Amino acid sequence: AQTVTQSQPEMSVQEAETVTLSCTYDTSESNYYLFWYKQPPSRQMILVIRQEAYKQQNATENRFSVNFQKAAKSFSLKISDSQLGDTAMYFCAFMKHRSMNRDDKIIFGKGTRLHILP
Amino acid sequence: DAGVIQSPRHEVTEMGQEVTLRCKPISGHDYLFWYRQTMMRGLELLIYFNNNVPIDDSGMPEDRFSAKMPNASFSTLKIQPSEPRDSAVYFCASSFIGLRGKLFFGSGTQLSVL
Repeated sequence: AQTVTQSQPEMSVQEAETVTLSCTYDTSESNYYLFWYKQPPSRQMILVIRQEAYKQQNATENRFSVNFQKAAKSFSLKISDSQLGDTAMYFCAFMKHRSMNRDDKIIFGKGTRLHILP
Repeated sequence: DAGVIQSPRHEVTEMGQEVTLRCKPISGHDYLFWYRQTMMRGLELLIYFNNNVPIDDSGMPEDRFSAKMPNASFSTLKIQPSEPRDSAVYFCASSFIGLRGKLFFGSGTQLSVL
């Protein structure tokens, strides 16, 4: 079974600083997807960034980027020039690449609560 | 599109009562997921459907929980009888295979069982 671990329950950084959120996962699969989802105080879950395991290049979306280390099974999220609106719970998630077994479920970590301080 | 619609947004009930949570996925999406969020356990997958068929219900806590998807535009999650430990936020999310794991979540139902 796949597992996703986020070892930082809570973090705080000053506005405009760079922050890195950690995520490790465990799987025997060779091809899969990894995600970071954001849950602001409004409770609405939003996809921030996605990485496909067969792609060596790290995904980036504006101020958000990942450091994907496949051998280490590590998938960290870097937020550059952090803004007050980045205050949220961040979830790391895993999904197998679609297979004949049709195991399409997406497994989430427990989340990291990030506070951006003015 | 209005997005994934869940109702009610808040539900307060007494222990032993039946609770029904409702979800309308985005039109055209053929996957529907039910998740439960608590402080202790994070976001847990309860069950998911593909083309209205339950594929994996291994996350459903016990027989008190049941989920149905009678058609492509509606799903329910029922708890009978409810217990205080069921208090949580319940999310519904939908997707389709072309989205490669991108889920569209509803706003969630905050359930409090007294």
